[in-house]
Amino acid sequence: EVQVVESGGGLVQPGGSLRLSCAASGFSFSSYSMNWVRQAPGKGLEWVSYISSGSTTIHYADSVKGRFTISRDNAKNSLYLQMNSLRDEDTAVYYCARNLMVYAIGYFDLWGRGTLVTVSS
Amino acid sequence: DIQMTQSPSSLSASVGDRVTITCRASQSIGNYLNWYQQKPGKAPKLLIYAASTLQSGVPSRFSGSGSGTDFTLTISSLQPEDFATYYCQQSYNTPRTFGQGTRLEIK
Repeated sequence: EVQVVESGGGLVQPGGSLRLSCAASGFSFSSYSMNWVRQAPGKGLEWVSYISSGSTTIHYADSVKGRFTISRDNAKNSLYLQMNSLRDEDTAVYYCARNLMVYAIGYFDLWGRGTLVTVSS
Repeated sequence: DIQMTQSPSSLSASVGDRVTITCRASQSIGNYLNWYQQKPGKAPKLLIYAASTLQSGVPSRFSGSGSGTDFTLTISSLQPEDFATYYCQQSYNTPRTFGQGTRLEIK
């Protein structure tokens, strides 16, 4: 089955750190660029970060730049998000999403079920 | 950043109704526009990409149109399983911004 499964969420204090993982299966992970997208409770979707298939291109939302680091291990079919200096406003469900490109138009065609990160003292 | 604005923010409709949701970009994005459906407690699901291309497996009652700054998602005949929140997203540049969402409720 083609899927991505997130893990690593939990409760963390403000200023703390957390590392999210996304395990991919059923497809050639190393051929696809990937994203993290988050959704605060009761709110809309917010794109967080992007990494190309070979990790040569990385982008971040301004809201997380300098605090979050995206990475991947193609040998382990895994995507990661290292989150440091966490703030209350980082509380959200974090989704891993596969990036597909058709005629240079990108879209997120495969999503995981998400992992909840709660930042609170 | 490109701002995406959806209207309406919420909508009440009945099974069988034809429904249209609008998405406007703050600058021209060509056809770099995608639509997602999200049900409560679930991950978003891709419906349409490149403004009008139906994702495989999505029912044909869903359609998308538009280019430049104005786009629409149309559901031709609402089914019970279509009551959800819908998001547009631009992929013209980074950051990949989403609209605020349109919540479609049963009347």
